[in-house]
Amino acid sequence: TQLLEQSPQFLSIQEGENLTVYCNSSSVFSSLQWYRQEPGEGPVLLVTVVTGGEVKKLKRLTFQFGDARKDSSLHITAAQPGDTGLYLCAGFGLTGGGNKLTFGTGTQLKVEL
Amino acid sequence: DTGVSQNPRHKITKRGQNVTFRCDPISEHNRLYWYRQTLGQGPEFLTYFQNEAQLEKSRLLSDRFSAERPKGSFSTLEIQRTEQGDSAMYLCASQGQENTGELFFGEGSRLTVL
Repeated sequence: TQLLEQSPQFLSIQEGENLTVYCNSSSVFSSLQWYRQEPGEGPVLLVTVVTGGEVKKLKRLTFQFGDARKDSSLHITAAQPGDTGLYLCAGFGLTGGGNKLTFGTGTQLKVEL
Repeated sequence: DTGVSQNPRHKITKRGQNVTFRCDPISEHNRLYWYRQTLGQGPEFLTYFQNEAQLEKSRLLSDRFSAERPKGSFSTLEIQRTEQGDSAMYLCASQGQENTGELFFGEGSRLTVL
């Protein structure tokens, strides 16, 4: 059973379009992170959200954390080819689950010119 | 470069051989994690260390896998009698602030078992 499900799994869009990636958890974590990974590289942290209802913005990226702290979304405005990559949500500190990061299934984004 | 360093970056081996990967974390980080990732999927947790103590191991870590961090600095991940199903990217990460999900990952070691 996958604790963190992401949708969509794949997304191919044109430059300038907007998109939203969803992350849904069957459990509550102490915090939720979003990472981006490029081919041949390790994941790089984008943001951490902790509080239910929290919204964080990072340039053209907007992250929301659900009130119940079990779902999150990543919205990208005016996507650019440089946004191409694998987007991963990850939960940390699952109750009874120890101090580890549990990753979602991933969303592969491709932004074309 | 003071980031997380992993080597080798690529390893091709024949089934049945043993392989060892090394990870050098960010120097002041006490926690070190190992993950395994297959193409297009999210990384899967294998094990983690607090200094030299191995605190948790995933059920994914069969008895052919062993990890060590003898002096609380660098860590090694050894896979004995490799199988084709072991082919994956092995990622190491270190954690500066404990009890947060902010991990710093290395570039990974890609294993191909023929």
